[in-house]
Amino acid sequence: DADVTQTPRNRITKTGKRIMLECSQTKGHDRMYWYRQDPGLGLRLIYYSFDVKDINKGEISDGYSVSRQAQAKFSLSLESAIPNQTALYFCATRPGTGNYGYTFGSGTRLTVV
Amino acid sequence: AQKITQTQPGMFVQEKEAVTLDCTYDTSDQSYGLFWYKQPSSGEMIFLIYQGSYDEQNATEGRYSLNFQKARKSANLVISASQLGDSAMYFCAMREDRHWGKLIFGQGTELSVKP
Repeated sequence: DADVTQTPRNRITKTGKRIMLECSQTKGHDRMYWYRQDPGLGLRLIYYSFDVKDINKGEISDGYSVSRQAQAKFSLSLESAIPNQTALYFCATRPGTGNYGYTFGSGTRLTVV
Repeated sequence: AQKITQTQPGMFVQEKEAVTLDCTYDTSDQSYGLFWYKQPSSGEMIFLIYQGSYDEQNATEGRYSLNFQKARKSANLVISASQLGDSAMYFCAMREDRHWGKLIFGQGTELSVKP
């Protein structure tokens, strides 16, 4: 199994629908992140969490919410999807100490029509 | 202000030759980390190499090396002996230790390796 698993891998949804992207990790790390990548751009931070009780907004959190159900699980929700949320979404995790290397999931390609 | 700058949107290199991908960064912090990631057309983010701000020697990982010039705030990636499989997007990223370790990414460089 992959260290960081994202589901679904691909999703097409309609404008106005609620959708949840799920992420689970087996690294045992406390810190988890959701990033978004638009075509031709680098990744931008949506939300991050240091533990189950500590969730923080990133630079582009509007229109998104998250839930940290357990140390290993961090879900991203689009409450009412809109077309400009069409993007590639990445979940990542890293340890709290050491060289702080990130492990990324394989990404979820979301299309809002 | 953009904190990570990759000035080469696209580059070509001949197979078996070396190539340098440029990255400059902007921070007033003393403690930070610099990463390079590879993103092939399949989309996943593959970690290549890491350089800590206090590391005195340039990082190396196989065919990858990071040319770290702290005073100039540059962290260029050097790929030696390019292979066809190296064709991908390459992202430079900086970890901001003062901001809870979040990563800031550059806009990427698309590398194409010619046979």
